Amino acid sequence: QVQLVQSGAEVKKPGASVTVSCKTSGYSFSTLYIHWVRQAPGQGLEWLGILNPSDGSTSFSQKFQDRVTMTRDTSTSTVHMELSGLRSEDTAVYYCASPAPHFQYWGQGTLVTVSS
Amino acid sequence: SYVLTQPPSVSVAPGKTAKIACGGNNIVTKSVHWYQQKPGQAPVLVVNFDSDRPSGIPERFSGSNSENSATLSISRVEAGDEADYYCQVWDSGIVVFGGGTKLTVL
Repeated sequence: QVQLVQSGAEVKKPGASVTVSCKTSGYSFSTLYIHWVRQAPGQGLEWLGILNPSDGSTSFSQKFQDRVTMTRDTSTSTVHMELSGLRSEDTAVYYCASPAPHFQYWGQGTLVTVSS
Repeated sequence: SYVLTQPPSVSVAPGKTAKIACGGNNIVTKSVHWYQQKPGQAPVLVVNFDSDRPSGIPERFSGSNSENSATLSISRVEAGDEADYYCQVWDSGIVVFGGGTKLTVL
């Protein structure tokens, strides 16, 4: 069965960058798009962008396109999401999810805390 | 950009039917997907493509879509249905979520 397992919680200072990883298993890595969605404390779901694992192409929400990078490692079937220029408002749980256009599969979430 | 509007909260008595609306301009032309999220957990897909139920989702969950509003219906509501519910569409290559509706079981 499809599984998405994310890296552990992170604490970062304002201005820093954070990388969250999503290790996939249970299917052919190149066949399912991977999305990143975040949820600030007490708030709703917010989409950051999508990566196509077959060729590494990406598409981002306009809100994040200057600060987010998504890459994949085909040798480990893992997708990485880097968010730079962190500010307090980026404190949130970050999820990887798949496939498209809806999300049948979700990672367990990674809490990123931005604090000085 | 496309906007999805949900009521912040809906309350329903056990055993009754809850209806959660998701408004969007001409939303009937889009496929709407619904998620249930309980505290501290990742969202769970409960309805996709307007009215289909993924495997393992009870028949009590159903969806519809017409004109400018899609609706998630939960019949014979149970205490365990208390959660946040989100609608979602795919519009011009981006994913849009509604703001979420907190379902309270009285």
